[in-house]
Amino acid sequence: GENVEQHPSTLSVQEGDSAVIKCTYSDSASNYFPWYKQELGKGPQLIIDIRSNVGEKKDQRIAVTLNKTAKHFSLHITETQPEDSAVYFCAASSAPVGQFYFGTGTSLTVIP
Amino acid sequence: DSGVTQTPKHLITATGQRVTLRCSPRSGDLSVYWYQQSLDQGLQFLIQYYNGEERAKGNILERFSAQQFPDLHSELNLSSLELGDSALYFCASSVNSGWGETQYFGPGTRLLVL
Repeated sequence: GENVEQHPSTLSVQEGDSAVIKCTYSDSASNYFPWYKQELGKGPQLIIDIRSNVGEKKDQRIAVTLNKTAKHFSLHITETQPEDSAVYFCAASSAPVGQFYFGTGTSLTVIP
Repeated sequence: DSGVTQTPKHLITATGQRVTLRCSPRSGDLSVYWYQQSLDQGLQFLIQYYNGEERAKGNILERFSAQQFPDLHSELNLSSLELGDSALYFCASSVNSGWGETQYFGPGTRLLVL
């Protein structure tokens, strides 16, 4: 099956700086890569996703890049704010049943 | 608020017991997924149901079972509970079951087995 690795496991940045979280996957059949944000005591919330036919996607301060050849994808958060502090999970999924394989999570702390 | 509801929020029980976790998907969603989140294992996919039928199985133990009812709500049954079953259990839902379906997660049920 698929194996998703995520780095780093913890990340601290100053408010206003950028944060980058990286994931690699093993199954070349994976074609959908969502990113989830999980705040304390809550369920994961989708923040951005990318499909294998696209190399980059941006939504305001958040962007995701995908390198299919190298089998890795990254989450970029610019101008970080304290409310960005949370655990972020990447995931990979492939047709046809949409089973998700999650990374181990990155705990992001934005220091005011 | 994702629109996915889960009950109960917290559950404390003893080893050897059986519990049932309930999930109501977002209105219109046909697929329900169950996940287990523990400190050492991360988020693990357990099982998926689509319109009442099992669609995919992940790392689900034989002591665990699930079903999806005609009104599309789902229940996850955990039996012969062990200390290691203590975890957060999440339900997620999506409109269909195909690839690339966005999954919306509920708030989770925190299970503590003593």
